[in-house]
Amino acid sequence: KAGVTQTPRYLIKTRGQQVTLSCSPISGHRSVSWYQQTPGQGLQFLFEYFSETQRNKGNFPGRFSGRQFSNSRSEMNVSTLELGDSALYLCASSSGSGSAVYNEQFFGPGTRLTVL
Amino acid sequence: AQTVTQSQPEMSVQEAETVTLSCTYDTSESDYYLFWYKQPPSRQMILVIRQEAYKQQNATENRFSVNFQKAAKSFSLKISDSQLGDAAMYFCAIDEGGGADGLTFGKGTHLIIQP
Repeated sequence: KAGVTQTPRYLIKTRGQQVTLSCSPISGHRSVSWYQQTPGQGLQFLFEYFSETQRNKGNFPGRFSGRQFSNSRSEMNVSTLELGDSALYLCASSSGSGSAVYNEQFFGPGTRLTVL
Repeated sequence: AQTVTQSQPEMSVQEAETVTLSCTYDTSESDYYLFWYKQPPSRQMILVIRQEAYKQQNATENRFSVNFQKAAKSFSLKISDSQLGDAAMYFCAIDEGGGADGLTFGKGTHLIIQP
């Protein structure tokens, strides 16, 4: 079974631009979560989507948004980029079935975004 | 809100020795999950071990085991017979919401394996 894939792997943008990152979950997984990883703040939860609906959102400004498609693929968008948005963006997928069994999250390799 | 604290920014151990990484957390929930993730230089997060809070028995995965002290809110990771491939950042994380609320991570411990 193929793992979580993220595209692109590396991205360079300039301040003020916007960017869209893509995440394809493991086949059959319906939940996709996004995380931002920076040296200063560490790993922080951005949001989680399940069956095309955002179920939860972390403490990030409205410039950060996401969506999920019917095939469970997810995109996240950052508008009006700032230097502080430079980070590794990780997505994780799980079955998200909500059953009593914990739904393990499987992480993708990440997208390294550099804002100049 | 839950918090996770890893007090050791960096640890070093000789190959084949045993090392323990510390983690403390805070949560108001009685049922939750705790994790140790490994992030090698490739940046891919890999689940090392998982502990369910309602289980008193400490989880074990081959050379990796945890010491889970629920009352003390402590969750340390012991790596036995350390190998060069164990070198990585190790993150402790908690999940209260079954995945929908996201994982809360500690700042990480950089583990160095000395040959």
